[in-house]
Amino acid sequence: KAGVTQTPRYLIKTRGQQVTLSCSPISGHRSVSWYQQTPGQGLQFLFEYFSETQRNKGNFPGRFSGRQFSNSRSEMNVSTLELGDSALYLCASSLAQGVNEQFFGPGTRLTVL
Amino acid sequence: ELKVEQNPLFLSMQEGKNYTIYCNYSTTSDRLYWYRQDPGKSLESLFVLLSNGAVKQEGRLMASLDTKARLSTLHITAAVHDLSATYFCAVEGTYKYIFGTGTRLKVLA
Repeated sequence: KAGVTQTPRYLIKTRGQQVTLSCSPISGHRSVSWYQQTPGQGLQFLFEYFSETQRNKGNFPGRFSGRQFSNSRSEMNVSTLELGDSALYLCASSLAQGVNEQFFGPGTRLTVL
Repeated sequence: ELKVEQNPLFLSMQEGKNYTIYCNYSTTSDRLYWYRQDPGKSLESLFVLLSNGAVKQEGRLMASLDTKARLSTLHITAAVHDLSATYFCAVEGTYKYIFGTGTRLKVLA
């Protein structure tokens, strides 16, 4: 069974640009969550999607948005990039029923210059 | 607001020694997860704890959950160098998971 995949793996952008990250969950998993990981703030929850609906959102500005498609694949978008957005962005998927163990993708390393 | 605290943040220990990492959380939850992260890598699931009194063991690691005390522990027995990594606990809330600060473990030969 294939794991969670994320693309791209590495990204370099400049301030003010926007970026879109993609996540393909494990087959059969309907819940996708996104996290931002930085040395200073640790792992912070961004949002969770299930059946194309955002069910929860963390404390991030509106520049951070996401969506989920009918095949459960998800994208997140960050507009007007700031230096502080440099981070590892992790996607995780789970069945969303019964045991909600999350399985993480390899992450996208975003560097904002 | 659900908050999760881990301690210690850093742990340097000799091979062969035992130690415990603690994970405290602020609101009622009976679902707690432990993950391992190696430098530059993603998170790997270690344990899933789903009820009060749950205990899981894998090799030199044992995790337990006390939902009444809102406390989970990750016990390391006879540490070996391969266990060097950062360990996170995560508590399941409503459609979200809140992670602890992580414990960076370094096992010295």
